[in-house]
Amino acid sequence: NAGVTQTPKFQVLKTGQSMTLQCAQDMNHNSMYWYRQDPGMGLRLIYYSASEGTTDKGEVPNGYNVSRLNKREFSLRLESAAPSQTSVYFCASSEEPVGGRETQYFGPGTRLLVL
Amino acid sequence: RKEVEQDPGPFNVPEGATVAFNCTYSNSVSQSFFWYRQDCRKEPKLLMSVYSSGNEDGRFTAQLNRASQYISLLIRDSKLSDSATYLCVVNFYYGGSQGNLIFGKGTKLSVKP
Repeated sequence: NAGVTQTPKFQVLKTGQSMTLQCAQDMNHNSMYWYRQDPGMGLRLIYYSASEGTTDKGEVPNGYNVSRLNKREFSLRLESAAPSQTSVYFCASSEEPVGGRETQYFGPGTRLLVL
Repeated sequence: RKEVEQDPGPFNVPEGATVAFNCTYSNSVSQSFFWYRQDCRKEPKLLMSVYSSGNEDGRFTAQLNRASQYISLLIRDSKLSDSATYLCVVNFYYGGSQGNLIFGKGTKLSVKP
């Protein structure tokens, strides 16, 4: 099993450009998440999907959109990138929706630089 | 935002030392608790869950004090490979599928030969 995979690994954007971060998991998990991690900050939840067909906002959703394409895939879109969105983005998945004792499994991350 | 606070570190210890990390959380809503480990430029990975009675996994011991809203992680006989950032994670659970996983900022551990 590959676990959670993310593409791309690195990306440089100019302000105003758009891009989509891709995430896929092969563990048949119901729930998927997008986090961002900034220096001196803990991981912060952007959006999550408790199950296929549902998405909900997390702590820092502004400037992002998500799509739960199917049970395996959960994408994160930046419509008009801003320098404040420079960060490391992690996708994660878990078997149960948030609220249980489930373990979250993380992808390797996407390092995004917005100039 | 529910808060999870950790010792900022860094902790620089010699091999073989015992080191303890502390974490406090701000809300008494039903929760579950975890320690994750994050290596430099890598993704977080679950180290261990924290149970009310405390639990041990080899050289690692986790403790929970609900009254004081305090979690700890003890590492005995530190190894060079223990060098990483340790994240305290609290799941504030509101029932059903509603909840929120809050990560501490992490405590960096460096184990020296």
